[in-house]
Amino acid sequence: GDSVTQMEGPVTLSEEAFLTINCTYTATGYPSLFWYVQYPGEGLQLLLKATKADDKGSNKGFEATYRKETTSFHLEKGSVQVSDSAVYFCALGAGGYNKLIFGAGTRLAVHP
Amino acid sequence: DAGVIQSPRHEVTEMGQEVTLRCKPISGHNSLFWYRQTMMRGLELLIYFNNNVPIDDSGMPEDRFSAKMPNASFSTLKIQPSEPRDSAVYFCASSFGGRGDTQYFGPGTRLTVL
Repeated sequence: GDSVTQMEGPVTLSEEAFLTINCTYTATGYPSLFWYVQYPGEGLQLLLKATKADDKGSNKGFEATYRKETTSFHLEKGSVQVSDSAVYFCALGAGGYNKLIFGAGTRLAVHP
Repeated sequence: DAGVIQSPRHEVTEMGQEVTLRCKPISGHNSLFWYRQTMMRGLELLIYFNNNVPIDDSGMPEDRFSAKMPNASFSTLKIQPSEPRDSAVYFCASSFGGRGDTQYFGPGTRLTVL
């Protein structure tokens, strides 16, 4: 069945460091891909998405490119801030109603 | 728009009691999803509706769990009887339901079953 695998955390970085969180997927057909972020005590918020191969999603300095050949959707940011500390979830949207299948989540901690 | 609204935000109950979680989706959205989040199992899709009709409930863990969507602006998730292993954060999300459409999540209900 469809699944998402993302790198285990926690990831600990200093402010202004470069961030990469790896995400790979297994799916039949052509899913849409998403990154969601969860701040402490809150629900999930969409960070960015891509709906077809080679699309790049971007938001708030974060980027991810839908790579069909490597079945990947890695999240990157050139310079992280303390306020980026959160849990990041990679997800694929499957089926006619776009139900989401989530990875396990990666906790990011950014220190000043 | 107020976003997806869930109530209560926190619920503490004793084993064996009935628990009802409530969700109001974003107006105009026609798909609604219930998820459960635990440390051990991560985010799991329990059930989802389209145009108030349940489409897939294969994620509902047991017959103790049931969900309804009587109209486009309201859904409930009921657990009867509740057990300590049901303790989790339950999220409701809504969307237009099409391919690539964004799901908007509510703040969640943190359930603790003693």
